[in-house]
Amino acid sequence: GAGVSQSPSNKVTEKGKDVELRCDPISGHTALYWYRQSLGQGLEFLIYFQGNSAPDKSGLPSDRFSAERTGGSVSTLTIQRTQQEDSAVYLCASSGLSQNTGELFFGEGSRLTVL
Amino acid sequence: SQQGEEDPQALSIQEGENATMNCSYKTSINNLQWYRQNSGRGLVHLILIRSNEREKHSGRLRVTLDTSKKSSSLLITASRAADTASYFCATAISGNTPLVFGKGTRLSVIA
Repeated sequence: GAGVSQSPSNKVTEKGKDVELRCDPISGHTALYWYRQSLGQGLEFLIYFQGNSAPDKSGLPSDRFSAERTGGSVSTLTIQRTQQEDSAVYLCASSGLSQNTGELFFGEGSRLTVL
Repeated sequence: SQQGEEDPQALSIQEGENATMNCSYKTSINNLQWYRQNSGRGLVHLILIRSNEREKHSGRLRVTLDTSKKSSSLLITASRAADTASYFCATAISGNTPLVFGKGTRLSVIA
């Protein structure tokens, strides 16, 4: 596609359930990021993939959060045993440069609500 | 902790006026970027200024960077109601670290 695509756009789940959020970056982009945005707040960095390098996981808030990027393209963010504080919009972004010096292209986000 | 902090948190102006938003950061940077976010949408890149640049223009946008003060400003001239959005600064410390975003400034332009 022409832009970054995220699915689902909305997800409502019960506390304790696992969820998977998907991101399709712009074709050919080597860098992929996940951020989390709580209501009315800024973006909280979660994880960063760059080419074949080991991902930067320094922003993941707990071991319930994990992400993978298969074949250098699609990424899945998994949240296990969801908690109410996990409710937020999860934003994915990609960048075409080999280093983190350029603009990010964002998807529309996946809104997660944990009941 | 977040690298960039925008000021003010919220700004309300009349259409046609200029809007100025500021961003302060803590460490040396490779570049600083400004993004816009309409309510409920993803972020859109507006402008990037490198650490060796002092000012940059794009249409009605003017960005300045003062590395000695570790601050940047975004000026939107002749604002329009359609400029209503949240504006975020983001800093890149180096080529191998992720972009870090501030909490944003909510701009309301009243027609």
